Amino acid sequence: GQQLNQSPQSMFIQEGEDVSMNCTSSSIFNTWLWYKQEPGEGPVLLIALYKAGELTSNGRLTAQFGITRKDSFLNISASIPSDVGIYFCAGPSGNTPLVFGKGTRLSVIA
Amino acid sequence: GAVVSQHPSRVICKSGTSVKIECRSLDFQATTMFWYRQFPKKSLMLMATSNEGSKATYEQGVEKDKFLINHASLTLSTLTVTSAHPEDSSFYICSARADRGLHEQYFGPGTRLTVT
Repeated sequence: GQQLNQSPQSMFIQEGEDVSMNCTSSSIFNTWLWYKQEPGEGPVLLIALYKAGELTSNGRLTAQFGITRKDSFLNISASIPSDVGIYFCAGPSGNTPLVFGKGTRLSVIA
Repeated sequence: GAVVSQHPSRVICKSGTSVKIECRSLDFQATTMFWYRQFPKKSLMLMATSNEGSKATYEQGVEKDKFLINHASLTLSTLTVTSAHPEDSSFYICSARADRGLHEQYFGPGTRLTVT
């Protein structure tokens, strides 16, 4: 089946730094979704992307739908302690449930 | 909008008993709901897809007789873990999708199940 590869697996950054993570696929996706999960909680949808090349922002978060449709990037500017969590990319495989990446675990050092 | 609730948030039960987890879409009608299981520091593992008014579709390796799913209305799906064993202890998360034409899934807060 389709797989999504996320990198990096984990990141330790200083508060105030910018963060960049990405997600790649061996096949084309028509939608990219980015979720954040905090400990003991369910994932929360951050950004949804529908068109190749699309760049969408949500506060300090910006995500891009790669031109090839095989990748997506999520950037967080001026990180703060509450950005800590696991960030998952996800995409639909046809009309089936979402395929999820394995996540990028973000730690912010104050 | 797009709020999904789960109940209970935590449950402890004894081996051999059954546990029911409810998943509700609070402000939208969910044609499809999904049940996931998550192990510590791992990604989400899809267990089954639940469509309102029809039988659930289980992923390979998930026992349908052990994990009973009912999607009786457009706002409620339930997962019953039957004859629970310690290895069933996990974090169970549901999600809901409002429209087949859209791919966004909205997740509940999860249920921590501990089987003693």
